[in-house]
Amino acid sequence: DTAVSQTPKYLVTQMGNDKSIKCEQNLGHDTMYWYKQDSKKFLKIMFSYNNKELIINETVPNRFSPKSPDKAHLNLHINSLELGDSAVYFCASSGAGIYGYTFGSGTRLTVV
Amino acid sequence: GNSVTQMEGPVTLSEEAFLTINCTYTATGYPSLFWYVQYPGEGLQLLLKATKADDKGSNKGFEATYRKETTSFHLEKGSVQVSDSAVYFCALYGGATNKLIFGTGTLLAVQP
Repeated sequence: DTAVSQTPKYLVTQMGNDKSIKCEQNLGHDTMYWYKQDSKKFLKIMFSYNNKELIINETVPNRFSPKSPDKAHLNLHINSLELGDSAVYFCASSGAGIYGYTFGSGTRLTVV
Repeated sequence: GNSVTQMEGPVTLSEEAFLTINCTYTATGYPSLFWYVQYPGEGLQLLLKATKADDKGSNKGFEATYRKETTSFHLEKGSVQVSDSAVYFCALYGGATNKLIFGTGTLLAVQP
């Protein structure tokens, strides 16, 4: 059983398109996150939801919109994709953050 | 704010060599500290953690001790294997912010 699963694993799309990435966790955690990993492997948090409520919203273009229909799911929708959006996007979840986060396997987004 | 600094890579070692990857942090309060590992093409896996000063986290032969006096959490392994080749991330949770913050990652390459 995969604890945090993301789909799709790979996404290649043209500039200007709109795309979504889906994430589901079966750990019973209350909090979920989206991270972006750039080409230099640097990881930066984008959003966090606690029990469907947005609690962290970093400086991210408003073309990125997270949605959490329930505490087990957190999706990321990206409008008007740009070349600079190419990256690996990781979903994660946690119970108490002091014990760490569990990450999904990532979605590699390539904008051409 | 909170931050994590880790040594730049790549670190290239021969099999069975001793490994140290340095990590220092800046935080208010008493954060939890983590090492995550990312194998090629995969997601992030929690390798070990420590939640309070003087705690030692250990897993798969890797160890790190939470040193509050030197604000450090260096990763060590006595004898590396080719299969340890990966990117290693030091991370911090807590202190002034309740989000997991990562260092820049250190690429380890172990040669047979």
